[in-house]
Amino acid sequence: DTAVSQTPKYLVTQMGNDKSIKCEQNLGHDTMYWYKQDSKKFLKIMFSYNNKELIINETVPNRFSPKSPDKAHLNLHINSLELGDSAVYFCASSPPPGRTTIEQYFGPGTRLTVT
Amino acid sequence: GQNIDQPTEMTATEGAIVQINCTYQTSGFNGLFWYQQHAGEAPTFLSYNVLDGLEEKGRFSSFLSRSKGYSYLLLKELQMKDSASYLCAVRDRNQGGKLIFGQGTELSVKP
Repeated sequence: DTAVSQTPKYLVTQMGNDKSIKCEQNLGHDTMYWYKQDSKKFLKIMFSYNNKELIINETVPNRFSPKSPDKAHLNLHINSLELGDSAVYFCASSPPPGRTTIEQYFGPGTRLTVT
Repeated sequence: GQNIDQPTEMTATEGAIVQINCTYQTSGFNGLFWYQQHAGEAPTFLSYNVLDGLEEKGRFSSFLSRSKGYSYLLLKELQMKDSASYLCAVRDRNQGGKLIFGQGTELSVKP
């Protein structure tokens, strides 16, 4: 009965590689997000999709490309990984506007380590 | 632009009360959220304020003053398990409704 799930939980890879992180939510939410949390615990939004459509695209390198095959899934592909990409990446989802609850629900996170 | 400030660290004693403050500046304020994050885990929702005043939920309460750009999270009857990072986040309607997070306050509860 997991609400927001991410795979993998841990990812260790070398500089220059390409990797993907997958996210799925079974809450029936329309909006999904990707956040990056760095070593200083600062949580910053990267992308947001609503019903498979990109609505927020922060200043993120083009090496990061989100893909939403349907509104329950939002994957993150990262090309040419760099040391500075090492962080914890959180997926989140939230219900559509007008609902009584509007908080975001976070996945367990993917700890990415680039060596 | 947006700016959210909260203390980096706080320490309190088990059984006591602690207040974590958050000040913010944003152009399109549309709600303030508090999240709790234990080490190595995901943030979990604690409270939401969009109107001025106090919202109480068990041992946790959150207060908002929109005119002052100020909120606080009040934790009563502290327990050891309350040791965590507490994140203040503001929703901005002028930026697609995204949440802007503060850096978090690391709370240590000591016996």
